[in-house]
Amino acid sequence: GAVVSQHPSWVICKSGTSVKIECRSLDFQATTMFWYRQFPKQSLMLMATSNEGSKATYEQGVEKDKFLINHASLTLSTLTVTSAHPEDSSFYICSARDRPGQEFTGELFFGEGSRLTVL
Amino acid sequence: GNSVTQMEGPVTLSEEAFLTINCTYTATGYPSLFWYVQYPGEGLQLLLKATKADDKGSNKGFEATYRKETTSFHLEKGSVQVSDSAVYFCALSVRYGQNFVFGPGTRLSVLP
Repeated sequence: GAVVSQHPSWVICKSGTSVKIECRSLDFQATTMFWYRQFPKQSLMLMATSNEGSKATYEQGVEKDKFLINHASLTLSTLTVTSAHPEDSSFYICSARDRPGQEFTGELFFGEGSRLTVL
Repeated sequence: GNSVTQMEGPVTLSEEAFLTINCTYTATGYPSLFWYVQYPGEGLQLLLKATKADDKGSNKGFEATYRKETTSFHLEKGSVQVSDSAVYFCALSVRYGQNFVFGPGTRLSVLP
């Protein structure tokens, strides 16, 4: 089946630095990717929808200048946490949906997740 | 709008016990329904899915039937194992609609 890969799977950084997380669709083209944040023992919170070739759509309450999203190609979206602080520590998960025009399954394919710890 | 409700747990069972995790939904349009599983420290994996009424999704001994009349997609397994301990998310997706909609997740712990 389709595979989505995230990198890095975990990262530790100092407060004030920026961290980039990559999300790649390995065997299909994804015009739309989604970024989620998950706090311990909680469900996924949608942060933004990443559209190839256009600006990301952010959910209410998510700072677009804090969480920069770039979807430069059909197989890669990146999330950059700028000037990270300890409260940004979390598990970040990306997902991708099949390219429109293909048979619709509605299924989302998830990356393995990236655990960010800000000291 | 679209929404998913599922029992929040946590659910604790002994090995080989029968499992049911209830899931009901509201949706405009005709949704596809999914169960995703998240093992500790990992992302989400698709467990099973159903795209139309009366379809039964099944995988790894888990089953769920798309019931349009009761707007439900309950997850069942006849005999759980310790390795089934995880968080289970019920979800729906509507064609041409916005985003996936997840339930809150149900944490399952299976004791030996």
